[in-house]
Amino acid sequence: QLVLTQSPSASASLGASVKLTCTLSSGHSSYAIAWHQQQPEKGPRYLMKLNSDGSHSKGDGIPDRFSGSSSGAERYLTISSLQSEDEADYYCQTWGTGIYVVFGGGTKLTVL
Amino acid sequence: EVQLVESGGGLVQPGGSLRLSCAASGFTVSSNYMSWVRQAPGKGLEWVSVIYSGGSTYYADSVKGRFTISRDNSKNTLYLQMNSLRAEDTAVYYCARHRDIVATSDWGQGTLVTVSS
Repeated sequence: QLVLTQSPSASASLGASVKLTCTLSSGHSSYAIAWHQQQPEKGPRYLMKLNSDGSHSKGDGIPDRFSGSSSGAERYLTISSLQSEDEADYYCQTWGTGIYVVFGGGTKLTVL
Repeated sequence: EVQLVESGGGLVQPGGSLRLSCAASGFTVSSNYMSWVRQAPGKGLEWVSVIYSGGSTYYADSVKGRFTISRDNSKNTLYLQMNSLRAEDTAVYYCARHRDIVATSDWGQGTLVTVSS
C-alpha cells in the first residue's frame, strides 16, 4: 500500500537550515512526489516536484532557499536561511495506481 | 495567470446536499487533471476526487457513491456534487490543478463546508 510518512513536527532557528523528510512505503522508492507549503490560515502552495534521482522543478516564484533531494525511499525538502514566514505546515504528495492522489500527514515547522 | 476560485460552501444538515464550484481562468479545465482536496479543522490534507483530461473520474473510498466530480467545458468550471453529507465531511474544500499526474501545482483559496444540525 502506498503511504507517505512525515514527522509531525520540526523546528530550527531563524537563519539556519532545516531538512524535512517524506518517506515512501516499501516498494515505491522510485516514485516522484510533490512538496506543498501551507502557511497559517492560508491554502496550500505548490513548492516543487521531486523525482527519485533528486532532480526537481519548482513552482513559479519559489525562492532558491527551497531545494529538494532524494535518497532511496526518502524525499527531502531543505529550506536554508530560514525566515519567519517559513513557519508553516509542509505536505508531500504523490500518485499511485488505484489510490490516485495521496498526501503525507504533514510536518509542522516552527522557526525559533 | 492561473486562478481557481471555489464557491458553494456553507452550512448544511446531515443527509443534505451541496454543490461546490471552481471557476478556472488562465488555463483550460478540460485539458488538465483536476482534483478536489479537503482539510478538516485542525487536520491534514485529504484527497477527495480527481477528473482526468479524458473524463475518467476517481474517488476516495470515504466519499465514493456520495460525491460526484464533473466539469462544464463551456464555463471552464469544475464541480463537486456532494450528497448524503455527514458530520465528518466538514472541511475546507480546495480545487487544484495538476501539472502532471503526480503533482497538484495550482490551488484555489478553498470553501468551507459545515455539516451540522
